[in-house]
Amino acid sequence: AQSVTQLGSHVSVSEGALVLLRCNYSSSVPPYLFWYVQYPNQGLQLLLKYTSAATLVKGINGFEAEFKKSETSFHLTKPSAHMSDAAEYFCAVTLSDKIIFGKGTRLHILP
Amino acid sequence: DTGVSQNPRHKITKRGQNVTFRCDPISEHNRLYWYRQTLGQGPEFLTYFQNEAQLEKSRLLSDRFSAERPKGSFSTLEIQRTEQGDSAMYLCASSASWLAGDEQFFGPGTRLTVL
Repeated sequence: AQSVTQLGSHVSVSEGALVLLRCNYSSSVPPYLFWYVQYPNQGLQLLLKYTSAATLVKGINGFEAEFKKSETSFHLTKPSAHMSDAAEYFCAVTLSDKIIFGKGTRLHILP
Repeated sequence: DTGVSQNPRHKITKRGQNVTFRCDPISEHNRLYWYRQTLGQGPEFLTYFQNEAQLEKSRLLSDRFSAERPKGSFSTLEIQRTEQGDSAMYLCASSASWLAGDEQFFGPGTRLTVL
């Protein structure tokens, strides 16, 4: 069965600094991978998804993620954090149509 | 607004009462999903529909839970004899196709509090 593990339930970065949110997946075959963002009292919004077309995936709001099969990782990065990036981020995996989510990482942006 | 909508946004009920939530997916989306999200956790799959057919139910969906999508458009999720452990955010999502990896669009959720 597939699963994802997000390292760090809370991450704090200074405004303008690099954002790195870690995600490792477990799957018997290369899966589809997603990053979703959830702002307070809102639903989830897709940031980006990996579907095997390219290992470096660019998403919305300046985020990108790199699929590394050898490390079974799909870390999310952004070169320069903005205050508006403060939210909860979920890594997710699927092999079919049922998405399995990680527990989430809350990103705090320090002024 | 053509996104996924959910009603009500908040529901407070007493233990033992029945509650019903509604989800209106994006028009013409065939797939409709229900998830439950508790504090500090990611969303957990509950069930999904392909048009009006309910194709899969999670073990999380006890006998007190029932979901319907009678005409293949909106869906309802009913919880009977609510328990405090049912307190959570209930999220609905829809997608255009059955293809793996197809984006699921999420609604804002219904937050249930059982007193």
